[in-house]
Order: sequence, then structure tokens, then C-alpha cells
Amino acid sequence: KNQVEQSPQSLIILEGKNCTLQCNYTVSPFSNLRWYKQDTGRGPVSLTIMTFSENTKSNGRYTATLDADTKQSSLHITASQLSDSASYICVVGLTGGGNKLTFGTGTQLKVEL
Amino acid sequence: KAGVTQTPRYLIKTRGQQVTLSCSPISGHRSVSWYQQTPGQGLQFLFEYFSETQRNKGNFPGRFSGRQFSNSRSEMNVSTLELGDSALYLCASSPRLITTGANVLTFGAGSRLTVL
Repeated sequence: KNQVEQSPQSLIILEGKNCTLQCNYTVSPFSNLRWYKQDTGRGPVSLTIMTFSENTKSNGRYTATLDADTKQSSLHITASQLSDSASYICVVGLTGGGNKLTFGTGTQLKVEL
Repeated sequence: KAGVTQTPRYLIKTRGQQVTLSCSPISGHRSVSWYQQTPGQGLQFLFEYFSETQRNKGNFPGRFSGRQFSNSRSEMNVSTLELGDSALYLCASSPRLITTGANVLTFGAGSRLTVL
């Protein structure tokens, strides 16, 4: 069964600190992996997209890594800000037929003063 | 550049009723996909429309249906509503099919449906 598991489920950090969110997947055949940020009451916003051949991609203070061999990805947030408080969702895209996107249930991040 | 617009933002229905949600994609985008988001299940793919044709479908019952118009606007319909249909319904638009490589999806703010 294609699955995407994220950890931790929730996380609280102090403003200015760094943090790393994890995503493990069993999806096959793999096409791409995406990280989205979803603020409360809003739709998800794309942070990064990585294909099989990419192992790191940055978007400002967000850096995603991908290890296609171990089927793991991480999202590192540097120098966190209060506005980083949101849910971070890992999404894996498949090639071939059937349901093309598999979503993780997200990590709820809260940044405090 | 206008984003993805979903209407209505909030609605309350009772069991057995039906509901229609609307999604206007970014101008020039031909793919509209729909998702259900609940606290327990997270985001789940419903279906995708491209050039007025359903191209992909998730694992939802036939009570969930959709269509796309020639201007790429899309509607989804849920008939015979059940309590478990209470959720945030999101649509996303993209210039190509969501299966086309690393294709960026732009989501709308969602329609929050409460079924009483």
C-alpha cells in the first residue's frame, strides 16, 4: 500500500531556532516529492518539488532533502519565524496509472516567542 | 495574477441534501483537481479534470462527482450528504495534468462543508 508518513506529528519551537521535519514514503513507482505549507484556514502553498534525480532544493529559509534509496525526505527550517507556524505536508507523486498523489497527514509546527 | 477561487467558503447542510462547490482556476490552467481534507485522514485526492474530461479519480463513492466547463472552471457535487462528508474541500489548478512530472499545483482556500 502506498503510504507517506510524517514525523513528528506536532512540534513547538522558539523563534529563531532551526527545526527538521521528516517524511518517509513507501510510494512506488516514485515520480516526485513535494512539500507544502498550509496556514490555518488556507489552502496549501508549494514550498519545494524534487524529482528522483534531485537530492536537495531550497526556497529561502526552507531546505528540502531527498534520499530516494531510503525513501526519506526532510524539510529543514532555518531561523524560524512566528509566520512559520503552520501545517507542513509531504506529498509524493507517482508515475503510471491510478491515484497519482499520496499525501502525508502533516506536521503541525508552532513557533513561539 | 488572480489565484484559484473557491466558492462558497463556508456552508452548512443537513444529511441527505446535496451540495455543489465551485472552483475557478488560474487563467490559462487547464487542470483542476479536487481534494477532501479532514483532521483524521488528511488530504485525499478526489478527481482531476483536464479539458472538460475526468482524467483521474480517487477512491471515493459515486456520490462525489464533478465536471469542468469550457472555460476550465470546475464544479464538484456531493449527493445524499452524510455526516462523514464534513470536511474542507480544496481544489488546485495547474497548467498540465498532475501526473506530468514535477507539476506545480496552486490550491484555493477551500470550501468548508459542515453536515448536520
